[in-house]
Amino acid sequence: NAGVTQTPKFRILKIGQSMTLQCAQDMNHNYMYWYRQDPGMGLKLIYYSVGAGITDKGEVPNGYNVSRSTTEDFPLRLELAAPSQTSVYFCASSTGFSNQPQHFGDGTRLSIL
Amino acid sequence: AQKVTQAQTEISVVEKEDVTLDCVYETRDTTYYLFWYKQPPSGELVFLIRRNSFDEQNEISGRYSWNFQKSTSSFNFTITASQVVDSAVYFCALRDEGGSEKLVFGKGTKLTVNP
Repeated sequence: NAGVTQTPKFRILKIGQSMTLQCAQDMNHNYMYWYRQDPGMGLKLIYYSVGAGITDKGEVPNGYNVSRSTTEDFPLRLELAAPSQTSVYFCASSTGFSNQPQHFGDGTRLSIL
Repeated sequence: AQKVTQAQTEISVVEKEDVTLDCVYETRDTTYYLFWYKQPPSGELVFLIRRNSFDEQNEISGRYSWNFQKSTSSFNFTITASQVVDSAVYFCALRDEGGSEKLVFGKGTKLTVNP
């Protein structure tokens, strides 16, 4: 079972470049999330989606965009990379029922230099 | 606002010691859900346990046990007879009831188990 798959695993960007972090899940989950994890900190929510075509901002959405055209995919786009976006990014999915856990991908480690 | 506090930033123990990781939460909801996740050095997040606010029974799974006390808003995690493989960062999280079902995470406790 693949679960939640994130690509790439590692990436180095130059300031001002753009890129898309890919996230796909094969569990038919309606809810999907993007979190970022900074050193010594817990995860903070960037964006989330409760179904195809529906997205909403989390705590730290500035500098990011998302789309959800299918149930399976939830890409995260950085338009103009800044050093403050250096972080580890996690995608997660869940059924949307409160008593069910979120399943996380392995993360994408992004460095912006 | 919801909040999760893990006051212990880092803990170091010797193998076979018992260790307790503290988690204190804040919420105005009467129904809520708490979670523990493990992040080993390889970086992935592994789900360990879920607890509902209306179920205060403690839970044991092998060497792991969880103590949930609504009176003190705590959901502590104990590892008995720790092993080197338990070395990881452990996160406590609270499920938001605002419709997004997002998780509010504590900052994590880094546990190092030395041989």
